Amino acid sequence: SQQGEEDPQALSIQEGENATMNCSYKTSINNLQWYRQNSGRGLVHLILIRSNEREKHSGRLRVTLDTSKKSSSLLITASRAADTASYFCARGSGTYKYIFGTGTRLKVLA
Amino acid sequence: DVKVTQSSRYLVKRTGEKVFLECVQDMDHENMFWYRQDPGLGLRLIYFSYDVKMKEKGDIPEGYSVSREKKERFSLILESASTNQTSMYLCASSLVSFRSQPNTGELFFGEGSRLTVL
Repeated sequence: SQQGEEDPQALSIQEGENATMNCSYKTSINNLQWYRQNSGRGLVHLILIRSNEREKHSGRLRVTLDTSKKSSSLLITASRAADTASYFCARGSGTYKYIFGTGTRLKVLA
Repeated sequence: DVKVTQSSRYLVKRTGEKVFLECVQDMDHENMFWYRQDPGLGLRLIYFSYDVKMKEKGDIPEGYSVSREKKERFSLILESASTNQTSMYLCASSLVSFRSQPNTGELFFGEGSRLTVL
């Protein structure tokens, strides 16, 4: 499959805890992006990390990229109930395609 | 605020009907995409357009066609809807020219159109 693999498929944590989601892929990339999707809605872009970057931060989000292991992780610190959503990684493929993983469903309990 | 608008949030159609899903973006983006999203399968690319009247097949184009007559509008057409086309359809756009900087653009998504074919 060309799709990335997110791990875990589902994650349930208490408010205030950190949430970590992982994404693995098989072929080389020029960048990797993370998106969030609230239930029944469209996807919203969170962060893009380029292949020559190892770590990137945006507010409570921290993304790491290990190209030697072909993996990326998304860390959400001090999670809130509003972070409940599905999270997808997407990698560029060829010139215009973006390959999306199947997502991690995160539930943050208040 | 950037905006991608899909014409219908929910549609119910009958097998064999012709279905139009419309998508409009107000950001002057070059690239527009149609994805379908199914549980356990993630997002799969149906068609892509990088310019007016230009289109490229994605991974699952069978049973679909597209039209891009104006830069801001990208339509997905199901010529004869079938039950296996019941799905969530997502339109997206991106600014960056893939010819100069492949896959470096953020995708902006619409809210989705949930289609049920009976």
